[in-house]
This record gives sequence, C-alpha cells and structure tokens, in this order.
Amino acid sequence: KAGVTQTPRYLIKTRGQQVTLSCSPISGHRSVSWYQQTPGQGLQFLFEYFSETQRNKGNFPGRFSGRQFSNSRSEMNVSTLELGDSALYLCASSLGGQQNEKLFFGSGTQLSVL
Amino acid sequence: KQEVTQIPAALSVPEGENLVLNCSFTDSAIYNLQWFRQDPGKGLTSLLLIQSSQREQTSGRLNASLDKSSGRSTLYIAASQPGDSATYLCAADAGKSTFGDGTTLTVKP
Repeated sequence: KAGVTQTPRYLIKTRGQQVTLSCSPISGHRSVSWYQQTPGQGLQFLFEYFSETQRNKGNFPGRFSGRQFSNSRSEMNVSTLELGDSALYLCASSLGGQQNEKLFFGSGTQLSVL
Repeated sequence: KQEVTQIPAALSVPEGENLVLNCSFTDSAIYNLQWFRQDPGKGLTSLLLIQSSQREQTSGRLNASLDKSSGRSTLYIAASQPGDSATYLCAADAGKSTFGDGTTLTVKP
C-alpha cells in the first residue's frame, strides 16, 4: 500500500510569487491535513479537509488556502510569498471518520523563499 | 488554546540505556495523545496512539502512558539503540492536533 505522497520534494521561489503543493493520501483515506514546520515555530496546523470540505483551520493568514478533490488528493496554495513562509510543509492523511485515528505523514515539501 | 511542551529539548544517552521522554499539555479535553518519530528532513512516523480512555500503549521496546488529569504523557524507550536517534514529538488531538517542539534523542554506540 503506497504511503502519503507529496510533490514536489523541494521548491525555490521568490518573494511575491505563489506556489501550489500537492498531497496524495493513502488509498481509502478521506482526511488530509496540512502542517507548516519551521525551526522557530515548530509544527503548526494549517487546515484539514474531509470529503472535499474544510473541516478545521489553524491561525494562518488568508494567503494560505487549500482544497481537496473528489479522489481525496489535496492541494495547498500560498499566494504572495514572504521570506517567513520558508518551511517544510507536511501533509498527513487518516481515514477521517473517527476521532482516534493515526495520522500518516508524507515526506514533506521543503519550500525556500528568496 | 492547547499548549504542548516537551522536556528535555535534547537528550544524549549511551546505547543500551532505558530512557523517558516527557510531554505535557494544558487542556485535558483531548481525544487522544499520539507520539511520533521524525528523522532529519523527513516526515513524521506514528509510533503510538493513546486514546483518552486508555492509560498506556506498548509496541516493542516502546511504552507510552497518559495521565489526562495531570496533563502528562511519557514515552519510555527500553534498551536504546543508535537507530533510535531521531526527534520524538507528541501531539494532543482535540479535533485538530497540537504538537510539541520535540525531544532530539542521540544514542551513542
């Protein structure tokens, strides 16, 4: 069974540009959540999608957005990039139907904003 | 707002030693507490998940305990090995997961 796949693995952008990251969950998983990881702030929750609907949202500005498709694949978009957006972006999937489900993480997309 | 703290931030032990990693959380209204391992530049791997109604979970050399009333969880690693070297994170789930900053473990041969 394939794990969670994130593409691309590395990305370099300049300030003001926008970027789209992709996450394919484990087959059968309907919940996808996104996290930002930086040395200074640690791992912070961005948002969660379940059955194409945003179910939860963290405290990030509106420049961060996401969506989920009918096949459960998810994309995250960051517009008007800032230097502080440089981070490892991780997505995690779970079955999504119950409270006590393990999260399965992808390897992440390392974004560098110059 | 849930806050999760992990102490110590870093730990170095000789191979074979038993060790305990600590995790504390401020809001006890959680569904579960999950422990993860992260290798440098990689994603997280789930190690153990303890439901709020449970006291502990075990997997091989790992044992995690949960005390909701005191807002604490511990991860016990028996007979540590160099391959256990990684960063260990705990996450408290109350609808969305709040992570601690992790404990970076180094096991020296």
